[in-house]
Amino acid sequence: NAGVTQTPKFQVLKTGQSMTLQCAQDMNHEYMSWYRQDPGMGLRLIHYSVGAGITDQGEVPNGYNVSRSTTEDFPLRLLSAAPSQTSVYFCASWDSLYEQYFGPGTRLTVT
Amino acid sequence: AQSVSQHNHHVILSEAASLELGCNYSYGGTVNLFWYVQYPGQHLQLLLKYFSGDPLVKGIKGFEAEFIKSKFSFNLRKPSVQWSDTAEYFCAVKGSNFGNEKLTFGTGTRLTIIP
Repeated sequence: NAGVTQTPKFQVLKTGQSMTLQCAQDMNHEYMSWYRQDPGMGLRLIHYSVGAGITDQGEVPNGYNVSRSTTEDFPLRLLSAAPSQTSVYFCASWDSLYEQYFGPGTRLTVT
Repeated sequence: AQSVSQHNHHVILSEAASLELGCNYSYGGTVNLFWYVQYPGQHLQLLLKYFSGDPLVKGIKGFEAEFIKSKFSFNLRKPSVQWSDTAEYFCAVKGSNFGNEKLTFGTGTRLTIIP
């Protein structure tokens, strides 16, 4: 099992550009989520999904969109990148035992 | 709404010292509690979790945590730390009511172990 994979590992964007961060899991988990990690702020939940076709907002959803068309994939879209979105993004998946498995992260810089 | 406080931002210890990292949560119901660890350059890994039953929970690498309901606390302990425990530690809480799938993290405690 690869677990949770994320691409790309690093990305630099200019203000106003859009992009999609990819996340995939091969553990057949129903639940998936996206977090951003900023120094001194821990991890903050952006969006999460409890199954294919079902998503909901987390703590900091503004500026981000998600969709969940399959159990395996949960992409995160930045609609119009802003410097405030410079962060490390982690995707996670989990099962009914609520142990979240994290991906390796995407380091995003918006200039 | 649920929230977590980790009051120790940076802890520095010598090898073989005992460790206790504080975690307090706020939630108006029963909770599930977690400690995650993030080693330098790596992603988060689960250390231990509490769902119900014995409030003293043992995890991997010799870590344990005690859930004290009256104090809304879930402190992480280790009797003797090693240099390899240098990492950032995150406490997290999730309300255990049906339909609550949000996991809320604390701001983290950076632990530095001096050889």
